Amino acid sequence: EPEVTQTPSHQVTQMGQEVILRCVPISNHLYFYWYRQILGQKVEFLVSFYNNEISEKSEIFDDQFSVERPDGSNFTLKIRSTKLEDSAMYFCASSESMNYGYTFGSGTRLTVV
Amino acid sequence: GENVEQHPSTLSVQEGDSAVIKCTYSDSASNYFPWYKQELGKGPQLIIDIRSNVGEKKDQRIAVTLNKTAKHFSLHITETQPEDSAVYFCAGLNQAGTALIFGKGTTLSVSS
Repeated sequence: EPEVTQTPSHQVTQMGQEVILRCVPISNHLYFYWYRQILGQKVEFLVSFYNNEISEKSEIFDDQFSVERPDGSNFTLKIRSTKLEDSAMYFCASSESMNYGYTFGSGTRLTVV
Repeated sequence: GENVEQHPSTLSVQEGDSAVIKCTYSDSASNYFPWYKQELGKGPQLIIDIRSNVGEKKDQRIAVTLNKTAKHFSLHITETQPEDSAVYFCAGLNQAGTALIFGKGTTLSVSS
């Protein structure tokens, strides 16, 4: 079964450093998403991306966040200057259609120290 | 924007019993309602979904029912097994239809 692949599985970074989280969506999917989950809490929407541009972003997705599809297979989330409160699981998802069938990756656990 | 409320936050059942988790949504234009299962340390996995043109959908021991008038939908798991123990999330689309908005999750514990 096709899957969404995320790397790394765990990243530890110093406060103020930049991090890039990587995702390989399912190959025939056209819509891409990033979500985050703070430990023990619900899954929160960050951003959706289609046709090389952001479709929607949440209040969480401020100027320190950016997304990019640098080539035909990768989809990245960059956090420019990490804060302690950015510590969370970050999930990438993709879907073939805009409004159904989201498939999630296994996530990257980001720890900011 | 869409708001999805989920109840209960925790649910404990005996193996073989049924489990029901309910969600309400705010946007009457919403038309897609998935349920995800999340096991410890893993990403959410889609287990069943329903579109607004049907009232019920079943897949073996799992079913989802939708009441558009009351704006709520429910996940039903019959003959629960210990491996059903996980966190379950309902979701609905935001107003623009460009993202899923999740409920707060229900931790289901099935004891044998």
